Amino acid sequence: DIQMTQSPSSLSASVGDRVTITCRASQSISSYLNWYQQKPGKAPKLLIYAASSLQSGVPSRFSGSGSGTDFTLTISSLQPEDFAIYFCQQSYTTWTFGQGTKVEIK
Amino acid sequence: QVQLVQSGAEVKKPGSSVKVSCKASGGTFSSYPISWVRQAPGQGPEWMGGIIPMFGTANYAQKFQGRVTITADESTSTAYMELSSLRSEDTAVYYCARDVSSSTSNWFDPWGQGTLVTVSS
Repeated sequence: DIQMTQSPSSLSASVGDRVTITCRASQSISSYLNWYQQKPGKAPKLLIYAASSLQSGVPSRFSGSGSGTDFTLTISSLQPEDFAIYFCQQSYTTWTFGQGTKVEIK
Repeated sequence: QVQLVQSGAEVKKPGSSVKVSCKASGGTFSSYPISWVRQAPGQGPEWMGGIIPMFGTANYAQKFQGRVTITADESTSTAYMELSSLRSEDTAVYYCARDVSSSTSNWFDPWGQGTLVTVSS
């Protein structure tokens, strides 16, 4: 199975900060990488698919980049509603998820 | 806009089985694969398996082979996930999600609201 490793596991940031989350795959997955946001008690919500494509309705402050094994999710200016857990997911072979990055208020 | 609505929370004894349903509305059901994903407390999601309702054939993650059965009823636009031989480690929220694909990736959207399954004696 392809393993997905996210870093950091948690971070504290302030409203307006630029936030970057990294996801590394244990082997090359081309651009088969997606990002989800999850809030307490809710299902994950798709933010970015195919490494860098913004899902319809998702604010443009979210962006994704990378290919192969290294990927990044960036929030350009953190908003109060962005405090949540973020997961990466590979879909190159079946599906595996990262363990998540919790974004907390500083 | 497709919506997926799951059945309610369950409490089960170790060794028993649980069957969770996922009803689709507002869009095409048969032609899109439906996956099942579970999330234990404080953990990342874990894919269990999926089915294309139009074809009726399911595929499963190796970890759950022999213990999970995924089916779909096109007449009611409902997918089902049954997990047997339950143990305490199966306590988790179980989600269904629609698989969407393009030439460059596949992703899950939308997701059901989740069903909490608690395994306790």
